Amino acid sequence: AQSVTQLDSQVPVFEEAPVELRCNYSSSVSVYLFWYVQYPNQGLQLLLKYLSGSTLVKGINGFEAEFNKSQTSFHLRKPSVHISDTAEYFCALLNTGFQKLVFGTGTRLLVSP
Amino acid sequence: DTAVSQTPKYLVTQMGNDKSIKCEQNLGHDTMYWYKQDSKKFLKIMFSYNNKELIINETVPNRFSPKSPDKAHLNLHINSLELGDSAVYFCASSQGYRELFFGSGTQLSVL
Repeated sequence: AQSVTQLDSQVPVFEEAPVELRCNYSSSVSVYLFWYVQYPNQGLQLLLKYLSGSTLVKGINGFEAEFNKSQTSFHLRKPSVHISDTAEYFCALLNTGFQKLVFGTGTRLLVSP
Repeated sequence: DTAVSQTPKYLVTQMGNDKSIKCEQNLGHDTMYWYKQDSKKFLKIMFSYNNKELIINETVPNRFSPKSPDKAHLNLHINSLELGDSAVYFCASSQGYRELFFGSGTQLSVL
């Protein structure tokens, strides 16, 4: 079985502060990992992905994530957040054998002035 | 020239009715999906089609029936709607084992 855990349902942060959104996964085989963002009343947009190669992955809007196989983690980071980063963030896992994307429960990032 | 488009964006209907949601992608992808997002924002896959062939069918009531007339379209028909069907339904597409591209969602409200 495969699963994705996002322990923080909500992360409040002040504008220009750094942020880390945590994601841990469980899988018995190799995986691809993704972070998606959902702005209010919109669909999901890909922030970044890890398929192979360098474990530090850079994405759009200044976000980056690090794949850590030994800790089975794929945490998302941004050094300085903006008000416009307020959204729901989803970590997701793709087990190539099962051909389906499994999502975590999401983390709501709330950026205040 | 939206990549994955779904209609309608909002759907309000009475219990017991039958409704359809349409999805089209112009990305040339070979795989399409339907996901359901509940009120707690949890996303769960419902169906997946590859080149018009059903490859994933999660434990979804058989009142839900996907139809793929060609690989660019995947429609979702729902019979005898129930209150618990109220959710946001997302269509998505992908090419092989790559990222999914999502539509903007259809918010279904069953009264």
